[in-house]
Amino acid sequence: RKEVEQDPGPFNVPEGATVAFNCTYSNSASQSFFWYRQDCRKEPKLLMSVYSSGNEDGRFTAQLNRASQYISLLIRDSKLSDSATYLCVVNPPNAGNMLTFGGGTRLMVKP
Amino acid sequence: DGGITQSPKYLFRKEGQNVTLSCEQNLNHDAMYWYRQDPGQGLRLIYYSQIVNDFQKGDIAEGYSVSREKKESFPLTVTSAQKNPTAFYLCASSISAGLAGETQYFGPGTRLLVL
Repeated sequence: RKEVEQDPGPFNVPEGATVAFNCTYSNSASQSFFWYRQDCRKEPKLLMSVYSSGNEDGRFTAQLNRASQYISLLIRDSKLSDSATYLCVVNPPNAGNMLTFGGGTRLMVKP
Repeated sequence: DGGITQSPKYLFRKEGQNVTLSCEQNLNHDAMYWYRQDPGQGLRLIYYSQIVNDFQKGDIAEGYSVSREKKESFPLTVTSAQKNPTAFYLCASSISAGLAGETQYFGPGTRLLVL
């Protein structure tokens, strides 16, 4: 089992749609969780951290479910500019600031 | 402008050749990292450094070497021992490597292709 698993997609959605991605992680003691966004042929950039209580940043909402070992990202009112690959990132226990990356979920928002 | 720079953007390697990828940061970060990304896959850690003159192997260090002589610089050498070097190489930095949850900031990456 991969340490961090994501559905690679692509998710093809129309503008204005709501879309959700899930990501599962294997180590129940993992400490920190993030969503990064990566545009085609560019570097990843931090989209948001994922807190135990969940967090929201504008149209983006991230949730953590420790019991089921998954995190989610919800995007409301999708824009064309949201088209990118979304990387689920986990900080394993006893690893300092080392990160484990999922393979990414590709989102394509169509007009 | 503060940030991380990588050069070159594209690099071509011939069989049996060593090549060096540059990574520089002016964020005054202690920790620096090198990752490799293959198509459709997640980033995999090659090497990391928590402080000047110190570095540790990551998950896929074989065929690679690094140095950390200055805080700002963390060059990666892809040696001839790396048999499948074609990939997108990303350098990152964070304030430290010891504390969980610190944001890692990435450079624009170098694409290495084998001729």
